[in-house]
Amino acid sequence: DADVTQTPRNRITKTGKRIMLECSQTKGHDRMYWYRQDPGLGLRLIYYSFDVKDINKGEISDGYSVSRQAQAKFSLSLESAIPNQTALYFCATSDFYRTGYGYTFGSGTRLTVV
Amino acid sequence: QKEVEQDPGPLSVPEGAIVSLNCTYSNSAFQYFMWYRQYSRKGPELLMYTYSSGNKEDGRFTAQVDKSSKYISLFIRDSQPSDSATYLCAMSAKSGGGADGLTFGKGTHLIIQP
Repeated sequence: DADVTQTPRNRITKTGKRIMLECSQTKGHDRMYWYRQDPGLGLRLIYYSFDVKDINKGEISDGYSVSRQAQAKFSLSLESAIPNQTALYFCATSDFYRTGYGYTFGSGTRLTVV
Repeated sequence: QKEVEQDPGPLSVPEGAIVSLNCTYSNSAFQYFMWYRQYSRKGPELLMYTYSSGNKEDGRFTAQVDKSSKYISLFIRDSQPSDSATYLCAMSAKSGGGADGLTFGKGTHLIIQP
């Protein structure tokens, strides 16, 4: 099983719909992140959480919300999806003490808003 | 000026060639440097990381950091078709990413021709 699991892998939704992307991890890391990746724009940070009670906005948080349900679970919601939220979304985890410097990414969710 | 600049490519080289991938950056506070490899439809995976200036070697891969020039490089020796992927540089001022997380380059698409 993957260390960082994202569901769903692919999703097509209509404009205005609410959608939730889920992320779970088995690495025991305390830090979790949501990024989106767009061609030509690279990876951009949406939200991050350093523990269950800590949620922080990233570079592009407008239109998104998150919930850290447990140390191992971090979900991203689009309250009212719009077409320019079509992108590849990645969840990532890190642990300052055990991994040092790098992030572990999930395989991504490809979201299309029509 | 973008914080991290990376040529998007594509960079196409014949199998067996030495590949050089590069990033420049503007924030002199960066001292942790990483390279990620991303295959199509997959999440980025950590390839190498270095702290401060100098070289680090791991098999066919060498990471090089020149903080005085704000320039980092990844060299791939004896390149293989399986090295075809997008390579992203990432950097941070603090270990584990700190409150600001990692700053990513946009990635260079590398193609190794058999």
